[in-house]
Formats: sequence, structure tokens, C-alpha cells
Amino acid sequence: QKEVEQNSGPLSVPEGAIASLNCTYSDRGSQSFFWYRQYSGKSPELIMSIYSNGDKEDGRFTAQLNKASQYVSLLIRDSQPSDSATYLCAVSGGYQKVTFGTGTKLQVIP
Amino acid sequence: DVKVTQSSRYLVKRTGEKVFLECVQDMDHENMFWYRQDPGLGLRLIYFSYDVKMKEKGDIPEGYSVSREKKERFSLILESASTNQTSMYLCASSPSGRGTGELFFGEGSRLTVL
Repeated sequence: QKEVEQNSGPLSVPEGAIASLNCTYSDRGSQSFFWYRQYSGKSPELIMSIYSNGDKEDGRFTAQLNKASQYVSLLIRDSQPSDSATYLCAVSGGYQKVTFGTGTKLQVIP
Repeated sequence: DVKVTQSSRYLVKRTGEKVFLECVQDMDHENMFWYRQDPGLGLRLIYFSYDVKMKEKGDIPEGYSVSREKKERFSLILESASTNQTSMYLCASSPSGRGTGELFFGEGSRLTVL
């Protein structure tokens, strides 16, 4: 079983819709959770971090964490073509190791 | 503006050559990481360092070594390059404590081993 699992996609949504990206993790000791965006040919960049159960909102982005279900999600409201990218879920325990999922490719259709 | 700089964007090496990939960060971060990224496999951690002269193996350390003599510099060494080490190599840094997972990445070094 992979430590961090994501559906590879592609996930296609029309412009203006809500995109929902999901991630599960296996280590119950994980404490910190992150979403990175990676455009084609570019390096990943951090867009959201979440440390406690519940929702965290930042502009059009909402991260959701459910530690009991070992589940993290990212919602993108009012999706734009510029949101088309691969979204990487990352998880960190109480030490420095940071583990990434393989990413979900999002396509926003104009 | 925070910056992680990787010395080479593109390298072509021969099998058996020794390869050095250099990474420098200007954010005074304690943690530094080396990942490789391959299609379908995602980002895989090779080594990380949480302090000067300290290093920890990641998930795929075989065939690699690292050096961190100064806080701002983290080098990845391929002692004898092999074709299966052809990949995109990404260096990253992060602060200590809760922000450990908030990584800042360099632009990447694409290595081809012939």
C-alpha cells in the first residue's frame, strides 16, 4: 500500500465549476498535510497547508482534513483554465520526512 | 523573494561518471531535501538533511549520497551514474518545526545518463 494515494486523473471540470481532489494516507501518526500545484514543466509550489481536522479556506481553495478517515481533500471553487495543473498531496509526520502522492491531473475546460 | 537555486538545469552524463548536483537556498532554512520525479511514480525522496552535516535516508537512497557542509548548500552525488538514474531531480528547503512540510522547490535538474 502506498503511503499517500491519489487518483491520477485526469479530472475534467468545466470552467466555473467546483473541482474536488482527494487524497488518502496510511500513516496514522501523520500530523501535517499539504497541497502543491505543479504546472507542466515547472516545479511544485505550495498552495495549502492544514494541520487540524476540519476545513481551511484560502480564496477559492478549501482544504479539508479528516484524520479519523485518513483523508485530505482540496476543493477549488469557480475553477479557471489557469487552474489546469497536477495537484500533489503531501504528508509529514512528527519528523522531517515529507511524502508525496503521485498527483491528480486537473483539466478545466473553457 | 525566497529562492532555491539548482546549479544545472540540464545535464548529460555517461554511465559510470560521477555526478554532482548542487543546491543553494537563501532562506536560512534548516531542512533541505532531494527528490527525483519520474512519470507515473511521482516525487520520491532520496535524502534529506535537518541540520548541517546531518542527513537521513529517504525512500530511494541507493546509488546516491549527499553532503551538507554549510546550512545553505545541499549536494547530491551519484558516485557512478547509471541509465536508471535518468530523471528530473528536485531540491527543496523548508523551515524547522511545524512548517517542515512547506517546501520551496528549485527549478529542477534534468539528468540524462547515456
